[in-house]
Amino acid sequence: DAGVTQSPTHLIKTRGQQVTLRCSPKSGHDTVSWYQQALGQGPQFIFQYYEEEERQRGNFPDRFSGHQFPNYSSELNVNALLLGDSALYLCASSEAGTSGYYEQYFGPGTRLTVT
Amino acid sequence: AQSVTQPDIHITVSEGASLELRCNYSYGATPYLFWYVQSPGQGLQLLLKYFSGDTLVQGIKGFEAEFKRSQSSFNLRKPSVHWSDAAEYFCAVGARWTGNQFYFGTGTSLTVIP
Repeated sequence: DAGVTQSPTHLIKTRGQQVTLRCSPKSGHDTVSWYQQALGQGPQFIFQYYEEEERQRGNFPDRFSGHQFPNYSSELNVNALLLGDSALYLCASSEAGTSGYYEQYFGPGTRLTVT
Repeated sequence: AQSVTQPDIHITVSEGASLELRCNYSYGATPYLFWYVQSPGQGLQLLLKYFSGDTLVQGIKGFEAEFKRSQSSFNLRKPSVHWSDAAEYFCAVGARWTGNQFYFGTGTSLTVIP
């Protein structure tokens, strides 16, 4: 059973460019969350997608947007990249279910470097 | 506001010694609590979780954690540390009514001396 997968593994972009990161959730999971982890920090919640809609959003600007596809995979898009966007971007998947709560399983992350 | 504090930025222990990593949280009600481990360049692996019930929870790799409501703490322990336990450890809190958004601490880096 494949866990959460993310692509690409590493990415180097220039300031002002746009980037798209991809995530495939663990089999059976229908909810995807994205986190940004700056160097030496804990992950910070960007947003969560369920049923192809953004369900909740953290304190991130509109330059950060996302999408969830019918197969539950997800993309994170960042426009007008800033140096401060350099970080490890983590995707986490979970199963919403009817109980309302679920564990989050994390992928290996995409390391984004903005120069 | 919700927050998680891990007071120890870095801890060094000898192999075979016991370990305790501290985690304090600020939350509106009883949260769901987690400990994750992250090896260099890797994603996060769930060590253990607390939702309700018994306040002492067992996890993988011989780790355990105890939820203490009165102290708003969820400290991680291991009786005998192995060299392979060297990693970054993160405490996290979440709750259904917040849309299951997780809040993470800043992490504790563990070094194990042979």
